[in-house]
Amino acid sequence: AQSVTQPDIHITVSEGASLELRCNYSYGATPYLFWYVQSPGQGLQLLLKYFSGDTLVQGIKGFEAEFKRSQSSFNLRKPSVHWSDAAEYFCAVGRSSNTGKLIFGQGTTLQVKP
Amino acid sequence: GAGVSQSPSNKVTEKGKDVELRCDPISGHTALYWYRQSLGQGLEFLIYFQGNSAPDKSGLPSDRFSAERTGGSVSTLTIQRTQQEDSAVYLCASSPGTAVSEAFFGQGTRLTVV
Repeated sequence: AQSVTQPDIHITVSEGASLELRCNYSYGATPYLFWYVQSPGQGLQLLLKYFSGDTLVQGIKGFEAEFKRSQSSFNLRKPSVHWSDAAEYFCAVGRSSNTGKLIFGQGTTLQVKP
Repeated sequence: GAGVSQSPSNKVTEKGKDVELRCDPISGHTALYWYRQSLGQGLEFLIYFQGNSAPDKSGLPSDRFSAERTGGSVSTLTIQRTQQEDSAVYLCASSPGTAVSEAFFGQGTRLTVV
């Protein structure tokens, strides 16, 4: 069955520290991978996406993610976290034929300590 | 409009009543999606519209849920005889409809069934 797992439900980091949010997927075909961020009371905003090509993708707000096919992972990273990054982060996978029909992970809530 | 617009932003209804949730997609987007975000359940796909094709209803949880899209633009999600377990945030998204494209999400409608 297709699925996305975000092992960490809640993460707390200090402002200025580095961040890595984990995402593992189970998908039978070539995955199309996304990271979305949801701030309180807001909709989902796309941070970055991987469709093909370079396995290290850059996104908005200084985020990047690396696709590792051998590990079925698409972890999100940021070298230095800002207080405004506190939010919920969702990893998602879509099919090549319909990248809007997504399977989401359960989300990781990021708290940033001053 | 500039983004996906959903109304109302909040809806409180009594158990057993019917509700309608509205979504205005980004102009020109041919694909439209509804998702439900429940506490403890994450984000789940409900239904997908693409142009004039028959909708993909594979995610609708019961026959109390239905959706339509008029004129290839505005969509309405209807929940009949609401139950407390229907309480959730209902998110709408649209995309250009090409195979490799991202979905843009609205801010959602928070439905509370009392």
